Amino acid sequence: SQQGEEDPQALSIQEGENATMNCSYKTSINNLQWYRQNSGRGLVHLILIRSNEREKHSGRLRVTLDTSKKSSSLLITASRAADTASYFCATDPTGGFKTIFGAGTRLFVKA
Amino acid sequence: NAGVTQTPKFQVLKTGQSMTLQCAQDMNHNSMYWYRQDPGMGLRLIYYSASEGTTDKGEVPNGYNVSRLNKREFSLRLESAAPSQTSVYFCASIKGQGARGNTIYFGEGSWLTVV
Repeated sequence: SQQGEEDPQALSIQEGENATMNCSYKTSINNLQWYRQNSGRGLVHLILIRSNEREKHSGRLRVTLDTSKKSSSLLITASRAADTASYFCATDPTGGFKTIFGAGTRLFVKA
Repeated sequence: NAGVTQTPKFQVLKTGQSMTLQCAQDMNHNSMYWYRQDPGMGLRLIYYSASEGTTDKGEVPNGYNVSRLNKREFSLRLESAAPSQTSVYFCASIKGQGARGNTIYFGEGSWLTVV
């Protein structure tokens, strides 16, 4: 079973709106990362948040982490058509060696 | 700087045939990984190599073998392909020995269909 599960599975918004994606995980973690995948391409790293951090920003991206709820959210502000992609959360379980990916959220931004 | 390069991009195999997916990275990374991606399943780890000379099973290793040929190259072999191995395969590399918060760099993927 997947460690991380994203919600919603798919999201469709208008350009300029904000997009929020959520990730829940099952075990304690050292880090949580978000990746983006354009159709037909490999995954690209967006941002990492460590277990002792609660919020992190990078450009139009804002990531939060709530370790008590074992959840994270990715907010993309002022979305653009070019943000259309799948977004994955990936967790590094405490004591583990391997990063575990969720099933992803497909974001579609309409121009 | 090419990053992670994997070949072939597309392949159609008949059930029972064998093939090898090649992967090379030019970032001098220690760790290399093979994932498969299936609809609604995210990425599942097949095998990984924490350093040159070592390989370990991931979540779904059955039906696959790997070789860490040198620090740059990590190949994935399907000895007797099955329709259940139809998937998109991604090679990836990490600078350190293991994830532990390190950025994972992915190749562009190999689309494999087994008929």
